[in-house]
Amino acid sequence: TQLLEQSPQFLSIQEGENLTVYCNSSSVFSSLQWYRQEPGEGPVLLVTVVTGGEVKKLKRLTFQFGDARKDSSLHITAAQPGDTGLYLCAGGGTFGNEKLTFGTGTRLTIIP
Amino acid sequence: NAGVTQTPKFRVLKTGQSMTLLCAQDMNHEYMYWYRQDPGMGLRLIHYSVGEGTTAKGEVPDGYNVSRLKKQNFLLGLESAAPSQTSVYFCASSYGQLVRADTQYFGPGTRLTVL
Repeated sequence: TQLLEQSPQFLSIQEGENLTVYCNSSSVFSSLQWYRQEPGEGPVLLVTVVTGGEVKKLKRLTFQFGDARKDSSLHITAAQPGDTGLYLCAGGGTFGNEKLTFGTGTRLTIIP
Repeated sequence: NAGVTQTPKFRVLKTGQSMTLLCAQDMNHEYMYWYRQDPGMGLRLIHYSVGEGTTAKGEVPDGYNVSRLKKQNFLLGLESAAPSQTSVYFCASSYGQLVRADTQYFGPGTRLTVL
């Protein structure tokens, strides 16, 4: 069974600060996705990375896939209250296998 | 274009009762999934379907059954509910083409409590 551990589990910071959350596994994934989930709603895809070492930027959010494709990080610059939510990473299996393995989640709260 | 919808939004059952959760998508997606979400455990796959008339077991299938009689609908059934099935259930769908990291589109969830 492939497992994805996210850290920290909870993070509460002031508006304007920077933060990084991590997604780690002992397994290799073909791809890594990050989703954000707001209360009472389903997760929504933020980004997909597919190449080891790949870095993608989405405005103030920077996503990186580890060189060995076993881990990923999400860095937020100048956090805003709208960034509040549950962040989930999800690893893709072998090529053509659309099942995802979801991480345990990081619940982020940005304090105005 | 409603995307993925789920009914009901909330439900309370007594132990041993049965119920069916309905998921519908209007994006003509081939693949559909049922997950459960519990605190600190992320999303765990219960069952999934790669096309009309097909179903397959996921990570935690025990106590659940599914059916995909129509491409747009995916039903999740609990024949005899147990307190351990108290959770938030999410349905998702995706194109399911043979490409890496296909985007999954999620419904709003069903919060189920089993007393």
